[in-house]
Amino acid sequence: ETGVTQSPTHLIKTRGQQVTLRCSSQSGHNTVSWYQQALGQGPQFIFQYYREEENGRGNFPPRFSGLQFPNYSSELNVNALELDDSALYLCASSFGRAITDTQYFGPGTRLTVL
Amino acid sequence: KNQVEQSPQSLIILEGKNCTLQCNYTVSPFSNLRWYKQDTGRGPVSLTIMTFSENTKSNGRYTATLDADTKQSSLHITASQLSDSASYICVVSSGTYKYIFGTGTRLKVLA
Repeated sequence: ETGVTQSPTHLIKTRGQQVTLRCSSQSGHNTVSWYQQALGQGPQFIFQYYREEENGRGNFPPRFSGLQFPNYSSELNVNALELDDSALYLCASSFGRAITDTQYFGPGTRLTVL
Repeated sequence: KNQVEQSPQSLIILEGKNCTLQCNYTVSPFSNLRWYKQDTGRGPVSLTIMTFSENTKSNGRYTATLDADTKQSSLHITASQLSDSASYICVVSSGTYKYIFGTGTRLKVLA
């Protein structure tokens, strides 16, 4: 186990709704990255937070937003859910934001949009 | 276009046998390349990381190689075990923030 936890484990929403996913980073880590993993695909980078500031973003629309709190836990918010948002959402924490810092992944939240 | 392609898509081997997984990338600029193991229903776990100047890195029975000239990497698993059954994902980091994941190779080890 990596020490990174995510909640909830599973979630079912309908199209147009909003969802908030949560991630608690491993102790001592100040950087959290979020990924979307569609079935049978590799994860896709959504964004990264470093010390409460967004520190880089992948090719995702603005309806994907996030927060990082002073204790370095993080939230991923998705507005106006679409069917294609159905995926496993992974968060990963690391000691720092350097590209060489090892990321430790949580078990993921499985989101289903109906 | 920045891409990471892995082959084969899936692989079945007998316990105790060796196997090699391939990763080809067209990512530029290149920062580093990682191999991850992802068990079903779990997040990926880092196995190895290699920068431009490194051409081999080992982690127990896992050995990764990198040829930065041809933009190819391989992951060799020696004396496979049932617990090696998982997806193996190649990830190339580009610049400061970008992480580009391959779609993975699904390995099944049979007794």
